[in-house]
Amino acid sequence: AQSVTQLDSHVSVSEGTPVLLRCNYSSSYSPSLFWYVQHPNKGLQLLLKYTSAATLVKGINGFEAEFKKSETSFHLTKPSAHMSDAAEYFCVVSGTGRRALTFGSGTRLQVQP
Amino acid sequence: GAVVSQHPSWVICKSGTSVKIECRSLDFQATTMFWYRQFPKQSLMLMATSNEGSKATYEQGVEKDKFLINHASLTLSTLTVTSAHPEDSSFYICSARGHQQTREQFFGPGTRLTVL
Repeated sequence: AQSVTQLDSHVSVSEGTPVLLRCNYSSSYSPSLFWYVQHPNKGLQLLLKYTSAATLVKGINGFEAEFKKSETSFHLTKPSAHMSDAAEYFCVVSGTGRRALTFGSGTRLQVQP
Repeated sequence: GAVVSQHPSWVICKSGTSVKIECRSLDFQATTMFWYRQFPKQSLMLMATSNEGSKATYEQGVEKDKFLINHASLTLSTLTVTSAHPEDSSFYICSARGHQQTREQFFGPGTRLTVL
């Protein structure tokens, strides 16, 4: 079985300040982990993915995430927030079998001017 | 590469009618397609998994006779909401997975269904 917990339902930062969106996972095997972003009334866009290679993963738009097996975490960070980063972010774990992806509940990022 | 499209992007229909939503993989062959449902301010919930040429596998609690899924080719899957009711109003998102992307799914832009 696998699960994902996004620790914050809502995060608010000021433009230009760092972003931290937290995600913990549970999986009975080596998982693949993803972060997706969703802008209002839009589909999902892949930010980055971890698939058992380097533990520090760099994604698009300056985002990165670090896979920490000992902490079962995969937190998403960005050094400096931009207004266009305001959106919903989903942490996702992938397993085997037909239920391929398990989604976290999402974190809404708000960026203040 | 790996683009998935959905049509229509939004649809409004009367209660009791049926609505068909198409999901296409534009530049790869999708052996497996997934259908998700997303209510406002909530996460995505998997409805069903379809493999080309076989019957879809539905998640617990999803009525297979209400949400008909057809995956007749490697590039097209359709979701038909039969006898739609206002409680079926939602954002429906499909995703596709090909042979090479064993764990990554590529998502369509979603379809907003409103049932009056």
